[in-house]
Amino acid sequence: GIQVEQSPPDLILQEGANSTLRCNFSDSVNNLQWFHQNPWGQLINLFYIPSGTKQNGRLSATTVATERYSLLYISSSQTTDSGVYFCAAPYGGATNKLIFGTGTLLAVQP
Amino acid sequence: DAGVIQSPRHEVTEMGQEVTLRCKPISGHDYLFWYRQTMMRGLELLIYFNNNVPIDDSGMPEDRFSAKMPNASFSTLKIQPSEPRDSAVYFCASSSRDRGMREQFFGPGTRLTVL
Repeated sequence: GIQVEQSPPDLILQEGANSTLRCNFSDSVNNLQWFHQNPWGQLINLFYIPSGTKQNGRLSATTVATERYSLLYISSSQTTDSGVYFCAAPYGGATNKLIFGTGTLLAVQP
Repeated sequence: DAGVIQSPRHEVTEMGQEVTLRCKPISGHDYLFWYRQTMMRGLELLIYFNNNVPIDDSGMPEDRFSAKMPNASFSTLKIQPSEPRDSAVYFCASSSRDRGMREQFFGPGTRLTVL
């Protein structure tokens, strides 16, 4: 089945800094999602991005499906950005069975 | 929209007891998913339904786990008997084929502790 790898595993930033999180997947995908799990454990949808680029405020994401990776950009980071960022891709060509990466733990310090 | 609703939010039980977790998907969504999150295994899919019918239960760990979806607005995940290794956060998610997408939306989760 598909392998989903994320890097870096953890990251510490000062408030205001920018960062790039990476998600590599081992097979072609027709669905890719980025989530933020906040310190209270809630999984928040960030992007549904099987290909191309999307932006939402300070966050943006780019998926290059042909090269099997996706990037999540966080600009002007805030303490509320802290938490774990997951990417998830479908397993075995099925759109619905998502396999989650191991996540990037982000800590933004004031 | 209220989003995916799960209950209870926290459950503490003793080994051997039956545990029932509940989920109400987003209205109009035709897919429902149950996930489990642990430190050791991360987030893993247990089972999913389409139009109330179980499609894939290959992630269900063993016969002690069962899931049902009696109607489009309600699903349960039952563990009987529970064991300490079942302690985890259980998430329910739902999705619909909106504009060709299959974006999944997650509930707040149920944190289960089995003593």
